[in-house]
Amino acid sequence: QVQLVESGGGVVQPGRSLRLSCAASGFAFSDYTMHWVRQAPGKGLEWVAVISSDGNSKYYAESVKGRFTISRDNSKNTVTLSVRVNSLKREDTAVYYCARGSDGYNPDCFDSWGQGTLVSVSS
Amino acid sequence: DIQMTQSPSTLSASVGDRVTITCRASQTISSWLAWYQQKPGKAPKLLIYKGSSLESGVPSRFSGSGSGTEFTLTISSLQPDDFATYYCQQYNSYSLSFGPGTKVDIK
Repeated sequence: QVQLVESGGGVVQPGRSLRLSCAASGFAFSDYTMHWVRQAPGKGLEWVAVISSDGNSKYYAESVKGRFTISRDNSKNTVTLSVRVNSLKREDTAVYYCARGSDGYNPDCFDSWGQGTLVSVSS
Repeated sequence: DIQMTQSPSTLSASVGDRVTITCRASQTISSWLAWYQQKPGKAPKLLIYKGSSLESGVPSRFSGSGSGTEFTLTISSLQPDDFATYYCQQYNSYSLSFGPGTKVDIK
């Protein structure tokens, strides 16, 4: 079955860099768009970024544009979200979910989700 | 960007009740609307896509309707497992966006 496992979260100081990873299994990874969605503590869901199945198209939420970078390695079935050095803000504190785009639509909704990884930006 | 709103923000109901949640988009999104259920400490789960299509494995008591700018999620007979927060999401265009959520709790 579809499995998405995020890693890389933890306590990070403001201004430091961050790299989150999502390992996918149970499906043909290279056929699907992949997304990151986040949820601040006690708040709603916020879409962060998407990468196309071949990695050539990427879109970002305005709140992270220029600071976050999404990438993927189809040979390793992984998708990564990186934050530039000196870019992390306290308001980036959230649970970050990796999600699979639903088949056949562009843009798309999210038909499978990981369990999430908590990022806490604090000095 | 497309803004999504939901009403009510909180809904108190009893097992067996018919429950309806409304979602509105700030501009037309055709039928590119999904509904998710989220329980505390868990990832969201897709219930409905393309406005009214039921995701595989989701009980038939869940249904979606609407197009354009106004959509509804209906639970025909609320079950104990349905107490959760529900979010709508538009995927008509980037930037993708969610509604603020509707919490369904026990009356």
